[in-house]
Amino acid sequence: DVKVTQSSRYLVKRTGEKVFLECVQDMDHENMFWYRQDPGLGLRLIYFSYDVKMKEKGDIPEGYSVSREKKERFSLILESASTNQTSMYLCASSLWFENTEAFFGQGTRLTVV
Amino acid sequence: AQSVTQPDIHITVSEGASLELRCNYSYGATPYLFWYVQSPGQGLQLLLKYFSGDTLVQGIKGFEAEFKRSQSSFNLRKPSVHWSDAAEYFCAVGEGEMRFGAGTRLTVKP
Repeated sequence: DVKVTQSSRYLVKRTGEKVFLECVQDMDHENMFWYRQDPGLGLRLIYFSYDVKMKEKGDIPEGYSVSREKKERFSLILESASTNQTSMYLCASSLWFENTEAFFGQGTRLTVV
Repeated sequence: AQSVTQPDIHITVSEGASLELRCNYSYGATPYLFWYVQSPGQGLQLLLKYFSGDTLVQGIKGFEAEFKRSQSSFNLRKPSVHWSDAAEYFCAVGEGEMRFGAGTRLTVKP
């Protein structure tokens, strides 16, 4: 089974802190994604990556950056956390070709106080 | 740009009743379509997917969905709902990176 592991289930951080959310997948998938999930808004794409050291902006990249130094790991970085970044963050991965679904991690619930 | 609309935020059905969750998409080419389910405190699990071919697709847990190009729809159905189906359901469209709808929360009455 594909496994996508997010390093933390719950995080509480202070406003202005630099926050790292880590995601690791064990199936050699080329594509990796970060979404945030908010009630009534569904999942919104923050950033994605199709290969090591590559990154593409999604629909809501402001206030976030990403890093992909190794194929299996995709990190989401909040440069200076703000209260409006309190949310559930979901990481996903998929194979490079088109007709395949994404596999999701369990999510990290981040609270910024 | 690709997008998905799920018109129903919350649906309540009785156990044993039939279910239909609506999904409309906007996409420039032949869409890749997905339905995911999220149980409380869990990650997203794929129910079914459509890439091409037969427009009626079968998924896990007794779910099916029908792709209708003329209506830009991909509605999810189940003939008889079980209490364990209570969850949030997300429709998604995309090649590679997916766009999701806002979700439909399903409540099942005993």
